Amino acid sequence: AQKITQTQPGMFVQEKEAVTLDCTYDTSDQSYGLFWYKQPSSGEMIFLIYQGSYDEQNATEGRYSLNFQKARKSANLVISASQLGDSAMYFCAMREALKGAQKLVFGQGTRLTINP
Amino acid sequence: EAQVTQNPRYLITVTGKKLTVTCSQNMNHEYMSWYRQDPGLGLRQIYYSMNVEVTDKGDVPEGYKVSRKEKRNFPLILESPSPNQTSLYFCASSFSPPRTDTQYFGPGTRLTVL
Repeated sequence: AQKITQTQPGMFVQEKEAVTLDCTYDTSDQSYGLFWYKQPSSGEMIFLIYQGSYDEQNATEGRYSLNFQKARKSANLVISASQLGDSAMYFCAMREALKGAQKLVFGQGTRLTINP
Repeated sequence: EAQVTQNPRYLITVTGKKLTVTCSQNMNHEYMSWYRQDPGLGLRQIYYSMNVEVTDKGDVPEGYKVSRKEKRNFPLILESPSPNQTSLYFCASSFSPPRTDTQYFGPGTRLTVL
């Protein structure tokens, strides 16, 4: 069963608009973490934002915010005032507790294209 | 500078020719992991290591081997590569615990097996 689902394979947005990338997850753990990573065309994985399952407030990092709805098991990434440099692949990931270690389970990714 | 390094960054090889992709981190992290990235599938974990001499299988371990003889190094070994192992490979490391720490990724190794 898919544990992380990103339903938008691709998105096209005009520069300066806000954009929401969807992510839903499935877990029976009470304690877990949710991450968003950005992968530009150069290929590296860039950490953007983290939300812990017990965090009461939505995480924010500059122009990035995470809309965390625990009951719906969703962790959408919101990018405000999009820029051309935001064009990239975006991955949602969930940290699972596995034998005391961290394991990141990734979604399929969403390719975001910002149009000028 | 804190970083995870991988070598080589690009590799084209032929079926059956053993190869090793190296991974090294300078952050004294206990936990290290290998992922492969394929279109439409995201990243999938191959193997992970919780500390020196402690390794375990991830979701897609078939055809791969790893070793962890030193804390900083975690090489990925393909004893007999096949074309279905053509992929983008990432090494990652983190402290374990604290649980809020994220994983730091290497720059990736693009492997093509002909």
